[in-house]
Amino acid sequence: QKEVEQNSGPLSVPEGAIASLNCTYSDRGSQSFFWYRQYSGKSPELIMSIYSNGDKEDGRFTAQLNKASQYVSLLIRDSQPSDSATYLCAVKNTGNQFYFGTGTSLTVIP
Amino acid sequence: NAGVTQTPKFQVLKTGQSMTLQCAQDMNHNSMYWYRQDPGMGLRLIYYSASEGTTDKGEVPNGYNVSRLNKREFSLRLESAAPSQTSVYFCASSEPGVNSPLHFGNGTRLTVT
Repeated sequence: QKEVEQNSGPLSVPEGAIASLNCTYSDRGSQSFFWYRQYSGKSPELIMSIYSNGDKEDGRFTAQLNKASQYVSLLIRDSQPSDSATYLCAVKNTGNQFYFGTGTSLTVIP
Repeated sequence: NAGVTQTPKFQVLKTGQSMTLQCAQDMNHNSMYWYRQDPGMGLRLIYYSASEGTTDKGEVPNGYNVSRLNKREFSLRLESAAPSQTSVYFCASSEPGVNSPLHFGNGTRLTVT
């Protein structure tokens, strides 16, 4: 079983809608969780990090963590065409190693 | 502030050739990482270095060696390249704290023919 699972998509939403991206992980000892955005041909860039159960908001982005269900999600409100990218979920374990899901491709349609 | 710098950006090798991918960071981070990214496979950890002088295998270490030359530099060596090593390679660094994210270099696109 892969450590971090994401729906690869593609996910398409109209401009202005809410995009919902999901991630599950297998290691219950995982301590922290990160969402990265990656444009085609570029390196991943950090969008959000979350460490405690509940929601964390940063502008149009909200990360949600449920450690009991081993589930992390990212909501993008008022989606823009510039949000079209692949979103990577990353999990950091107690050994300070980061494991990534395969990414979800998001397209925001103008 | 350059962050994480990788060289080269692109490389084409023939099967059996060797090469070293270079990585340096100027953020004074203790931990450094090498990942490869393949379509449909996501980012997979090749090797990891918690601090200068230490290295550990990740998910896919076969066919690779690493050297943590000093705190700044972490190189990845392919001794005898194979077509299966065609990939995009990313170097990254981080502080060891639980809240610290990964910072990525711009990547090296390697093709082995």
